[in-house]
Amino acid sequence: QVQLVESGGGVVQPGGSLRLSCAASGFPFNIYAMHWVRQAPDKGLEWVAVISSYGSDEKYADSVKGRFTISRDNSKNKLYLQMNSLRADDTAVYYCATEGTWGQGTLVTVSS
Amino acid sequence: DIQMTQSPSSVSASVGDRVTISCRASQGISNWLAWYQQRPGKAPKPLIYAASNLQSGVPSRFSGSGSGTNFTLTISSLQPEDFATYFCQQANSFPLTFGGGTRVEIK
Repeated sequence: QVQLVESGGGVVQPGGSLRLSCAASGFPFNIYAMHWVRQAPDKGLEWVAVISSYGSDEKYADSVKGRFTISRDNSKNKLYLQMNSLRADDTAVYYCATEGTWGQGTLVTVSS
Repeated sequence: DIQMTQSPSSVSASVGDRVTISCRASQGISNWLAWYQQRPGKAPKPLIYAASNLQSGVPSRFSGSGSGTNFTLTISSLQPEDFATYFCQQANSFPLTFGGGTRVEIK
């Protein structure tokens, strides 16, 4: 069964950091590019970042460039998103996603 | 960045109705277009990739068409579980971008 399970969300103060994880199972993780997509409360979908199958290439939305870092560990079938210098407008449900599959999401709330 | 514009933003329909949702790209994207369904409180569910290909397990009442800048998602006979919000997304170039969504509501 193909599955993506995110974790690591929570409440953090503005300027703080958080690391999200996404555990993949049921498919050959190491041959798929992986994405993070977020959705602010009652808003639409915003693509955040992508990493190539072997982790050699990364791309970011302008809104997170320089603050967020996407990475992966193919030996553990895990995807990560390191989020630094968090702002109130980073508050959202964060989804990891690949071709045909999305996780259930993890909520990040940036608030003092 | 490529802008994706969906219309209408919402539609009221009855069970059994045919529903059509449009998505327009600000520049040509060939067939690099996906559609997603999102029910309240749930994660988006991939429906269609490459403009017209159904994801595994998606009912055949869903279909997609189009290429270039104009795309359509059609639900041939609306079912109760289809009341949800639908998003298009271009995969032609980074940053990937989504349409604003179309909410399909019960009439």
